[in-house]
Amino acid sequence: DTGVSQDPRHKITKRGQNVTFRCDPISEHNRLYWYRQTLGQGPEFLTYFQNEAQLEKSRLLSDRFSAERPKGSFSTLEIQRTEQGDSAMYLCASSLSTLAKNIQYFGAGTRLSVL
Amino acid sequence: LAKTTQPISMDSYEGQEVNITCSHNNIATNDYITWYQQFPSQGPRFIIQGYKTKVTNEVASLFIPADRKSSTLSLPRVSLSDTAVYYCLVGDRDWDTNAGKSTFGDGTTLTVKP
Repeated sequence: DTGVSQDPRHKITKRGQNVTFRCDPISEHNRLYWYRQTLGQGPEFLTYFQNEAQLEKSRLLSDRFSAERPKGSFSTLEIQRTEQGDSAMYLCASSLSTLAKNIQYFGAGTRLSVL
Repeated sequence: LAKTTQPISMDSYEGQEVNITCSHNNIATNDYITWYQQFPSQGPRFIIQGYKTKVTNEVASLFIPADRKSSTLSLPRVSLSDTAVYYCLVGDRDWDTNAGKSTFGDGTTLTVKP
């Protein structure tokens, strides 16, 4: 069973550096989501794709954040000029729009620490 | 947009039934209720979804009264491994059309004690 995989699992970086995370969704899923989660809080929606089209972006997604899904398969989330406030768990999820329940399946996340 | 309210935390003992209630007074006609479970350092995992009355699967039951302004997740005979955070979400079944508008909230931290 190949679920949603995220890479890396952990990333430590210095303030001002750029980081990129990768998400590989479940293969037949056409929708892909990015969330951010800080300690003690629930996941906050950042953006989502249907196939390669980015259909919605949260106000949380500042201009330092960019997400791509070039071929409608894997996705990358890049954070430029990282700040300490970017430290969080970044979660990726995928779903299949044709399924009635449209349930999202989550990866284990990438934990980012900005020093 | 339907906002949800859940207790911040609950304690239970192994073997007991646990009921976690979620309030969603502004639920819309097209909204469904979905519950997720999250363990530390993992992503949320789907538990159950329902629209009205009662839904049961191999993991849990979901009770939804006629006015749909609340819902109760019922976990039968919990074990230590059920210690986790439980999230209630309310949104259109085609959730993606409101992807940014159905939020997880802060969930209920369930602690199961031996």
